[in-house]
Amino acid sequence: GAVVSQHPSWVICKSGTSVKIECRSLDFQATTMFWYRQFPKQSLMLMATSNEGSKATYEQGVEKDKFLINHASLTLSTLTVTSAHPEDSSFYICSATGLAGALEQYFGPGTRLTVT
Amino acid sequence: KNEVEQSPQNLTAQEGEFITINCSYSVGISALHWLQQHPGGGIVSLFMLSSGKKKHGRLIATINIQEKHSSLHITASHPRDSAVYICAPYTGNQFYFGTGTSLTVIP
Repeated sequence: GAVVSQHPSWVICKSGTSVKIECRSLDFQATTMFWYRQFPKQSLMLMATSNEGSKATYEQGVEKDKFLINHASLTLSTLTVTSAHPEDSSFYICSATGLAGALEQYFGPGTRLTVT
Repeated sequence: KNEVEQSPQNLTAQEGEFITINCSYSVGISALHWLQQHPGGGIVSLFMLSSGKKKHGRLIATINIQEKHSSLHITASHPRDSAVYICAPYTGNQFYFGTGTSLTVIP
Protein backbone atom coordinates (compact mmCIF):
# COMPACT_ATOMS: atom_id res chain seq x y z
CA GLY A 1 0.00 0.00 0.00
CA ALA A 2 0.86 3.66 -0.22
CA VAL A 3 3.35 4.97 2.32
CA VAL A 4 3.70 8.40 3.82
CA SER A 5 6.75 9.25 5.89
CA GLN A 6 7.44 12.11 8.24
CA HIS A 7 10.74 13.49 9.41
CA PRO A 8 11.72 13.93 12.11
CA SER A 9 9.68 11.54 14.21
CA TRP A 10 10.36 13.68 17.25
CA VAL A 11 12.07 16.98 17.89
CA ILE A 12 12.87 19.16 20.88
CA CYS A 13 13.53 22.82 20.31
CA LYS A 14 13.93 25.97 22.36
CA SER A 15 11.35 28.74 22.51
CA GLY A 16 11.78 31.24 19.75
CA THR A 17 13.40 28.91 17.28
CA SER A 18 11.82 27.46 14.14
CA VAL A 19 11.43 23.82 13.30
CA LYS A 20 10.61 22.19 9.97
CA ILE A 21 8.66 18.96 9.62
CA GLU A 22 8.70 17.06 6.33
CA CYS A 23 5.94 14.88 4.93
CA ARG A 24 6.76 12.66 1.96
CA SER A 25 4.69 10.30 -0.12
CA LEU A 26 7.12 7.50 -0.90
CA ASP A 27 5.48 5.55 -3.67
CA PHE A 28 2.75 7.74 -5.06
CA GLN A 29 2.15 11.30 -6.12
CA ALA A 30 0.15 13.26 -3.59
CA THR A 31 -1.94 15.99 -5.09
CA THR A 32 -3.21 17.09 -1.70
CA MET A 33 -1.62 16.89 1.72
CA PHE A 34 -3.27 17.67 5.02
CA TRP A 35 -1.63 18.77 8.24
CA TYR A 36 -3.17 17.94 11.60
CA ARG A 37 -2.21 18.48 15.19
CA GLN A 38 -3.25 16.34 18.09
CA PHE A 39 -3.11 17.21 21.77
CA PRO A 40 -2.98 14.45 24.39
CA LYS A 41 -6.22 12.51 24.73
CA GLN A 42 -7.80 14.54 21.94
CA SER A 43 -8.63 13.81 18.36
CA LEU A 44 -6.97 15.17 15.28
CA MET A 45 -7.54 18.79 14.38
CA LEU A 46 -7.08 19.85 10.79
CA MET A 47 -4.66 22.76 10.51
CA ALA A 48 -4.38 23.24 6.78
CA THR A 49 -4.80 21.69 3.37
CA SER A 50 -2.06 22.05 0.80
CA ASN A 51 -2.16 21.39 -2.93
CA GLU A 52 1.00 21.04 -4.93
CA GLY A 53 2.13 24.32 -6.38
CA SER A 54 -0.43 26.51 -4.66
CA LYS A 55 -0.86 28.23 -1.32
CA ALA A 56 -2.17 26.24 1.58
CA THR A 57 -5.69 26.73 2.88
CA TYR A 58 -5.66 27.23 6.62
CA GLU A 59 -8.44 26.37 9.03
CA GLN A 60 -9.98 29.08 11.12
CA GLY A 61 -7.82 29.96 14.07
CA VAL A 62 -4.58 28.63 12.60
CA GLU A 63 -1.99 31.36 12.08
CA LYS A 64 -0.61 31.08 8.60
CA ASP A 65 2.44 33.19 9.48
CA LYS A 66 3.28 30.89 12.34
CA PHE A 67 2.68 27.59 10.61
CA LEU A 68 4.26 27.88 7.18
CA ILE A 69 3.31 25.18 4.74
CA ASN A 70 5.09 24.52 1.47
CA HIS A 71 3.99 21.87 -1.02
CA ALA A 72 6.67 22.27 -3.63
CA SER A 73 6.38 18.88 -5.30
CA LEU A 74 3.96 16.02 -5.65
CA THR A 75 5.85 14.01 -3.05
CA LEU A 76 6.86 16.56 -0.42
CA SER A 77 5.10 19.00 1.86
CA THR A 78 6.76 20.81 4.74
CA LEU A 79 5.36 22.43 7.85
CA THR A 80 7.55 25.02 9.55
CA VAL A 81 6.64 26.12 13.04
CA THR A 82 8.13 29.58 13.37
CA SER A 83 9.09 31.24 16.65
CA ALA A 84 7.99 28.17 18.52
CA HIS A 85 6.31 28.45 21.90
CA PRO A 86 5.79 25.78 24.56
CA GLU A 87 2.07 25.75 23.68
CA ASP A 88 3.03 24.63 20.17
CA SER A 89 4.18 21.36 21.71
CA SER A 90 1.97 18.75 20.12
CA PHE A 91 1.82 15.75 17.83
CA TYR A 92 1.78 16.81 14.17
CA ILE A 93 0.45 14.40 11.59
CA CYS A 94 0.26 14.69 7.84
CA SER A 95 -1.86 12.75 5.41
CA ALA A 96 -1.94 12.60 1.65
CA THR A 97 -4.34 11.75 -1.13
CA GLY A 98 -3.21 10.34 -4.42
CA LEU A 99 -4.06 11.05 -8.00
CA ALA A 100 -6.41 8.10 -8.28
CA GLY A 101 -9.01 9.14 -5.80
CA ALA A 102 -9.46 11.85 -3.22
CA LEU A 103 -11.27 9.50 -0.83
CA GLU A 104 -8.13 7.48 -0.11
CA GLN A 105 -6.11 9.00 2.69
CA TYR A 106 -2.70 7.82 3.79
CA PHE A 107 -1.39 9.00 7.12
CA GLY A 108 2.16 9.69 8.16
CA PRO A 109 3.50 8.32 11.44
CA GLY A 110 3.49 11.74 13.06
CA THR A 111 6.07 14.07 14.56
CA ARG A 112 6.15 14.85 18.26
CA LEU A 113 7.29 18.41 18.87
CA THR A 114 8.37 19.57 22.31
CA VAL A 115 9.21 23.23 22.79
CA THR A 116 11.17 24.01 25.95
CA LYS B 1 -22.02 20.41 18.90
CA ASN B 2 -19.99 17.37 17.91
CA GLU B 3 -20.42 16.25 14.34
CA VAL B 4 -19.10 12.80 15.27
CA GLU B 5 -19.98 10.78 18.34
CA GLN B 6 -18.23 7.55 19.20
CA SER B 7 -19.13 5.01 21.84
CA PRO B 8 -17.83 3.72 24.05
CA GLN B 9 -15.00 6.13 24.86
CA ASN B 10 -13.08 3.43 26.67
CA LEU B 11 -13.33 -0.31 26.37
CA THR B 12 -11.55 -3.14 28.14
CA ALA B 13 -12.02 -6.66 26.85
CA GLN B 14 -10.65 -10.11 27.48
CA GLU B 15 -8.67 -11.70 24.72
CA GLY B 16 -11.00 -13.54 22.35
CA GLU B 17 -14.02 -11.33 22.94
CA PHE B 18 -16.08 -9.83 20.14
CA ILE B 19 -15.86 -6.04 20.19
CA THR B 20 -18.10 -3.38 18.70
CA ILE B 21 -17.37 0.31 18.43
CA ASN B 22 -20.11 2.63 17.26
CA CYS B 23 -20.00 5.92 15.39
CA SER B 24 -22.82 8.35 14.71
CA TYR B 25 -22.36 11.47 12.63
CA SER B 26 -24.47 14.41 11.63
CA VAL B 27 -22.80 15.60 8.41
CA GLY B 28 -23.52 14.44 4.88
CA ILE B 29 -20.65 12.26 3.75
CA SER B 30 -18.99 10.75 0.70
CA ALA B 31 -17.21 8.09 2.71
CA LEU B 32 -16.13 7.19 6.21
CA HIS B 33 -12.75 6.06 7.46
CA TRP B 34 -11.97 3.95 10.47
CA LEU B 35 -8.50 4.75 11.77
CA GLN B 36 -6.29 2.96 14.26
CA GLN B 37 -3.81 4.86 16.38
CA HIS B 38 -1.29 2.95 18.45
CA PRO B 39 0.30 4.35 21.63
CA GLY B 40 3.32 5.56 19.64
CA GLY B 41 0.96 7.85 17.75
CA GLY B 42 1.12 6.57 14.18
CA ILE B 43 -2.22 6.32 12.40
CA VAL B 44 -3.33 3.61 10.02
CA SER B 45 -6.48 3.74 7.94
CA LEU B 46 -8.26 0.43 8.49
CA PHE B 47 -11.23 0.97 6.24
CA MET B 48 -12.73 3.45 3.88
CA LEU B 49 -16.36 2.71 3.13
CA SER B 50 -19.28 4.50 1.57
CA SER B 51 -21.94 1.79 1.84
CA GLY B 52 -22.58 -1.68 3.18
CA LYS B 53 -19.87 -3.68 4.79
CA LYS B 54 -16.15 -4.41 4.45
CA LYS B 55 -14.05 -7.13 6.03
CA HIS B 56 -10.29 -7.35 6.53
CA GLY B 57 -9.21 -10.37 8.51
CA ARG B 58 -10.77 -10.11 11.96
CA LEU B 59 -12.05 -6.59 11.37
CA ILE B 60 -15.47 -5.78 9.96
CA ALA B 61 -16.86 -2.31 9.26
CA THR B 62 -20.43 -1.50 8.42
CA ILE B 63 -22.15 1.72 7.49
CA ASN B 64 -25.77 2.82 7.20
CA ILE B 65 -25.80 6.07 5.25
CA GLN B 66 -29.51 6.74 5.87
CA GLU B 67 -29.11 6.39 9.62
CA LYS B 68 -25.69 8.11 9.62
CA HIS B 69 -24.17 5.34 11.64
CA SER B 70 -21.16 3.09 11.31
CA SER B 71 -19.77 0.27 13.41
CA LEU B 72 -16.39 -1.37 13.67
CA HIS B 73 -16.29 -4.96 14.87
CA ILE B 74 -13.29 -6.96 15.98
CA THR B 75 -13.71 -10.71 16.19
CA ALA B 76 -11.49 -12.85 18.42
CA SER B 77 -9.81 -9.78 19.91
CA HIS B 78 -6.10 -9.92 20.72
CA PRO B 79 -3.86 -7.78 22.93
CA ARG B 80 -2.20 -6.38 19.81
CA ASP B 81 -5.59 -4.84 18.92
CA SER B 82 -5.12 -2.48 21.87
CA ALA B 83 -5.18 1.00 20.35
CA VAL B 84 -7.39 4.02 19.86
CA TYR B 85 -9.94 3.63 17.08
CA ILE B 86 -11.14 6.80 15.40
CA CYS B 87 -14.18 7.27 13.20
CA ALA B 88 -13.60 9.86 10.47
CA PRO B 89 -16.48 10.81 8.17
CA TYR B 90 -15.41 12.54 4.96
CA THR B 91 -17.75 15.09 3.37
CA GLY B 92 -15.90 15.40 0.10
CA ASN B 93 -14.17 18.54 1.29
CA GLN B 94 -12.95 17.67 4.72
CA PHE B 95 -12.69 15.05 7.40
CA TYR B 96 -14.38 15.16 10.74
CA PHE B 97 -12.84 13.12 13.51
CA GLY B 98 -14.38 11.40 16.48
CA THR B 99 -12.55 11.62 19.79
CA GLY B 100 -11.75 7.96 19.54
CA THR B 101 -12.40 4.76 21.45
CA SER B 102 -9.53 3.54 23.56
CA LEU B 103 -9.48 -0.26 23.46
CA THR B 104 -7.46 -2.42 25.82
CA VAL B 105 -7.47 -6.16 25.28
CA ILE B 106 -6.27 -8.13 28.27
CA PRO B 107 -4.56 -11.49 27.75
